[in-house]
Amino acid sequence: AQTVTQSQPEMSVQEAETVTLSCTYDTSESDYYLFWYKQPPSRQMILVIRQEAYKQQNATENRFSVNFQKAAKSFSLKISDSQLGDAAMYFCAYRAYNTDKLIFGTGTRLQVFP
Amino acid sequence: EAGVVQSPRYKIIEKKQPVAFWCNPISGHNTLYWYLQNLGQGPELLIRYENEEAVDDSQLPKDRFSAERLKGVDSTLKIQPAELGDSAVYLCASSLAYGAKNIQYFGAGTRLSVL
Repeated sequence: AQTVTQSQPEMSVQEAETVTLSCTYDTSESDYYLFWYKQPPSRQMILVIRQEAYKQQNATENRFSVNFQKAAKSFSLKISDSQLGDAAMYFCAYRAYNTDKLIFGTGTRLQVFP
Repeated sequence: EAGVVQSPRYKIIEKKQPVAFWCNPISGHNTLYWYLQNLGQGPELLIRYENEEAVDDSQLPKDRFSAERLKGVDSTLKIQPAELGDSAVYLCASSLAYGAKNIQYFGAGTRLSVL
């Protein structure tokens, strides 16, 4: 069975600094998708970034980028120039290529200090 | 364009009472999902609909939970009777396409407290 592990329950960063959130996963599939979702106190899960496993190039979205290491089954999220609005829970998620089912990790709470 | 709309935002009930949650997906999205999010955990899929058909309900506790998606648009998730352990956030999501193009968009959820 596929699993997603986020080993950092909480992280903190100073405004304008860079922070990296870790995620590892376990799967026997070769084709799949990985996601980072942000959940602010409003509870609405917002898609931050998506990576397709067959693409070697790491995905980037403005200040957000990933370090995808397929062999190590690692998928970390880097947030550059952190802003107060980045404070939230961040969830890493996995989806096999031929399914719609998202499997989430337990989340990392990110605090941003001015 | 409106996102996924859920109501109510909060619900407090006593155990053994029934409760229902409502979800209106993004217009045109044919796939709808209900997730359960326990405190300190990531969401877990309860049921997935393709139009009005439930295509994956393997994680839905069918003794007390039920769901419907009449006409393939809005959906309702019901618990009867509720138990203390049902206290959680219930999230609804929708997506436009199945497979490679699938990106799920979430609502703000309903926080249920069972006393």
